Amino acid sequence: NAGVTQTPKFRILKIGQSMTLQCTQDMNHNYMYWYRQDPGMGLKLIYYSVGAGITDKGEVPNGYNVSRSTTEDFPLRLELAAPSQTSVYFCASVGGSGVRNSPLHFGNGTRLTVT
Amino acid sequence: KNEVEQSPQNLTAQEGEFITINCSYSVGISALHWLQQHPGGGIVSLFMLSSGKKKHGRLIATINIQEKHSSLHITASHPRDSAVYICAVRSGRAGNQFYFGTGTSLTVIP
Repeated sequence: NAGVTQTPKFRILKIGQSMTLQCTQDMNHNYMYWYRQDPGMGLKLIYYSVGAGITDKGEVPNGYNVSRSTTEDFPLRLELAAPSQTSVYFCASVGGSGVRNSPLHFGNGTRLTVT
Repeated sequence: KNEVEQSPQNLTAQEGEFITINCSYSVGISALHWLQQHPGGGIVSLFMLSSGKKKHGRLIATINIQEKHSSLHITASHPRDSAVYICAVRSGRAGNQFYFGTGTSLTVIP
């Protein structure tokens, strides 16, 4: 199993540009999440999904969009990038809460700089 | 107030010391996770707990559901244990969201 695969690892955007962060998991997990991590801060939830076709906003959704057309894929779209979106982004997935032994799996992160 | 509080925020230890990191939470949970993040690195899961105690090598994690408290212990600490340790709780509510502590930055000096 590859786990959670997240691309790209690094990206520099100019203000106003757009990009998509890709996230794929091969563990048949229902729950997928996008977080951002700013220096010295905890992980903040951007969007989450409880299954294919179902997404919902997290704590900091402004400036982002997601889709979940399949169980495996959960891309994060940044429209009109702003310097405030400079951060490290993590995608994560986990099995259903009825699955007692289901660790939280993270992608390797995307370091995004908006200048 | 954060749903998950960790202490200490920063910790420096000499190699070989016994280390304890504490986590308290205020929400109903279905599970608690301990995560490790090395500088500039990804985040990996160390433990998932819903009760009792788990041990993996030199790492031990305990949880007290009644007191809403968990501890992560590292025995015979080593410089390679230097990392940020993050406590996360999985909410029992719809959406199964996670709440994260801000992390404990551990430095183990040789």
